[in-house]
Amino acid sequence: SYELTQPPSVSVSPGQTASITCSGDKLGDRYASWYQQKAGQSPVLVIYQDTKRPSGIPERFSGSNSGNTATLTISGTQAMDEADYYCQAWDSSTYVVFGGGTKLTVL
Amino acid sequence: EVQLVESGGGLVQPGGSLRLSCAASGFTISGYSMNWFRQAPGKGLEWISYIGISSSTIYYADSVKGRFTISRDNARNSLYLQMNSLRDEDTAVYYCARGRDDYGHRYYFDYWGQGTLVTVSS
Repeated sequence: SYELTQPPSVSVSPGQTASITCSGDKLGDRYASWYQQKAGQSPVLVIYQDTKRPSGIPERFSGSNSGNTATLTISGTQAMDEADYYCQAWDSSTYVVFGGGTKLTVL
Repeated sequence: EVQLVESGGGLVQPGGSLRLSCAASGFTISGYSMNWFRQAPGKGLEWISYIGISSSTIYYADSVKGRFTISRDNARNSLYLQMNSLRDEDTAVYYCARGRDDYGHRYYFDYWGQGTLVTVSS
């Protein structure tokens, strides 16, 4: 089965750039999406199809995907960005696959 | 405004059944595929089922195959999940979400409900 691996936690200072990685075999040949989940809330789509940003998502959120790694980048990170972030891809055998999630701490 | 509201969660004994509903507003589900997910306490997201626009295409995660049944009622603008033979490990918050693009590598989920808690315990 296809697996996606994320670091359990990432820390960043306010105003700095946070990068959250998602690794999977030849992930760059697939599309990656990213979801933000704040404590006690439901997930929110922040990036889809590697680089696209839904309406209403701030421009500081961006994505890339190449080789075996997709990356969610948050530029000028704000306290409100503190959340769990999940990457997601699709596999023909197991269909929807999520990474284990990364807890972003802004301190 | 697009909204998805889940209901039907609660406490159920192992081996029991429960039916979840997901009421959509702000859009008509007849034009979209729909999905169910769950999140066990303190754990990550798990996709559990997909239903295509016409209900002719349905997929399940191995963890629920043979026990759960997804369905939709386009006239009621609602999605359902019938859960049978429930186990302790099915305890989770269950979310419905709208799918976008063709089911495959381009597929993603643009709106999620607030979730409903299912607790399986004796």
